[in-house]
Amino acid sequence: NAGVMQNPRHLVRRRGQEARLRCSPMKGHSHVYWYRQLPEEGLKFMVYLQKENIIDESGMPKERFSAEFPKEGPSILRIQQVVRGDSAAYFCASSSTENTGELFFGEGSRLTVL
Amino acid sequence: AQSVTQPDIHITVSEGASLELRCNYSYGATPYLFWYVQSPGQGLQLLLKYFSGDTLVQGIKGFEAEFKRSQSSFNLRKPSVHWSDAAEYFCEAPSGGSYIPTFGRGTSLIVHP
Repeated sequence: NAGVMQNPRHLVRRRGQEARLRCSPMKGHSHVYWYRQLPEEGLKFMVYLQKENIIDESGMPKERFSAEFPKEGPSILRIQQVVRGDSAAYFCASSSTENTGELFFGEGSRLTVL
Repeated sequence: AQSVTQPDIHITVSEGASLELRCNYSYGATPYLFWYVQSPGQGLQLLLKYFSGDTLVQGIKGFEAEFKRSQSSFNLRKPSVHWSDAAEYFCEAPSGGSYIPTFGRGTSLIVHP
């Protein structure tokens, strides 16, 4: 089953450490989106990538956060110098086209910052 | 830019009762519209989608939704709710020049036996 794969599913970091979250899109999908979800809140858009390109990063904090989707390998969401407020579930979704909006989601990576 | 509003944060229904979850969008042209469901600890799963044509769309698990342009709404319905339908439901529409899939804040469905 070539669904969207995210790892790790759970990640614990201490304040100041780095978190790296990985996402392998569905086979044949070249569009990847990252979302953050906090309890009692909806999904907040962070960044939209295509292979080797960041298309829209308007939802991603300017500092400490970065994302990439290399030609080979998974998409990576990187959070440097994590703070407690970064604790959340991070979801990756992929799609085959850019404007139908139909997304296929991974099961999420849950980051806890101690 | 498109915005998606789900006015109900929590909805409680009895098993076997009918269900309607509200979704309103703000956008001039006919948008693409979607409903997703999220079970605890899981990612989102597509329930149904509207692109064009028939304004009443059928989805999985017995759900349907009706697009009403005059009301800018895309409400999700189910005639008889099962306990396994308890989950978080999200309405979604693309937004902006990059067609970013934009979600409402979600409605938590609680099903009483």
